Amino acid sequence: NAGVTQTPKFRILKIGQSMTLQCTQDMNHNYMYWYRQDPGMGLKLIYYSVGAGITDKGEVPNGYNVSRSTTEDFPLRLELAAPSQTSVYFCASSYSRTGGFGNTIYFGEGSWLTVV
Amino acid sequence: AQTVTQSQPEMSVQEAETVTLSCTYDTSESDYYLFWYKQPPSRQMILVIRQEAYKQQNATENRFSVNFQKAAKSFSLKISDSQLGDAAMYFCAFQTGANSKLTFGKGITLSVRP
Repeated sequence: NAGVTQTPKFRILKIGQSMTLQCTQDMNHNYMYWYRQDPGMGLKLIYYSVGAGITDKGEVPNGYNVSRSTTEDFPLRLELAAPSQTSVYFCASSYSRTGGFGNTIYFGEGSWLTVV
Repeated sequence: AQTVTQSQPEMSVQEAETVTLSCTYDTSESDYYLFWYKQPPSRQMILVIRQEAYKQQNATENRFSVNFQKAAKSFSLKISDSQLGDAAMYFCAFQTGANSKLTFGKGITLSVRP
C-alpha cells in the first residue's frame, strides 16, 4: 500500500526559481492538503482540496499555487522561491463524507526544501 | 479561529515511567475532534490517539490515554510505561467539520532516558 507519496524528498532551490512538489494518493480520498513545517514549529495549512477541481486557501497560501485535476494528484507549485519558503512540506489526504469529519488524515513522508 | 497551545517545549521521562503532555485549545465550536500526533526523527506524522468532543469517555490506545476536559478546553496525553521508541515530537491538533482541516500546536519534544 503506497498511501500518500511525495516527490522529491529533498530539493535545493535558488532564490527566484520555481518548482512543483508532487503528491499522489492511491486511497481514493476526496480531501487533500498541503502543510508546511518550519523548524521547531507545528504544521501550518497552505492549501487544501475537497475534490477534483476544487481548491481553497489555508493559513499560509502566499507564494504557492495548487491544482487538483484528478482525485489522486495534488501538486504544489512554488513560484519565485524565497528563503522564507525553506521548510518541510507535507501532503496529506483523507476521506470525508459530506459534512463528516473526525476521519483519519494520512500524511506523506515530507519534502525538505531549502531556498538559498 | 481555532488555536492550539502546547506551552511545554520539552519534557523528559525515565524509561518505564509515566509522562503527561499538556495541550489547551480555544474554539467556539461545539463539535470537534482532538488528536495527538507523534513525529519521530524521520518526520513521519503518526496518529497516536483521537477524541471526539461529544464523547465524555476519555480515549485510550494501549499505553496512550487522554484526559479530556471540555469545559477547561484541555486535552492532555498520558504515556504509561514509557519506552525508548516513544522519544519524538508530539503535536496536539484540532479539527472541526469545516473541510476537516487540522490546526496544530507547536509541539513538544519528548526524550526518554534509559
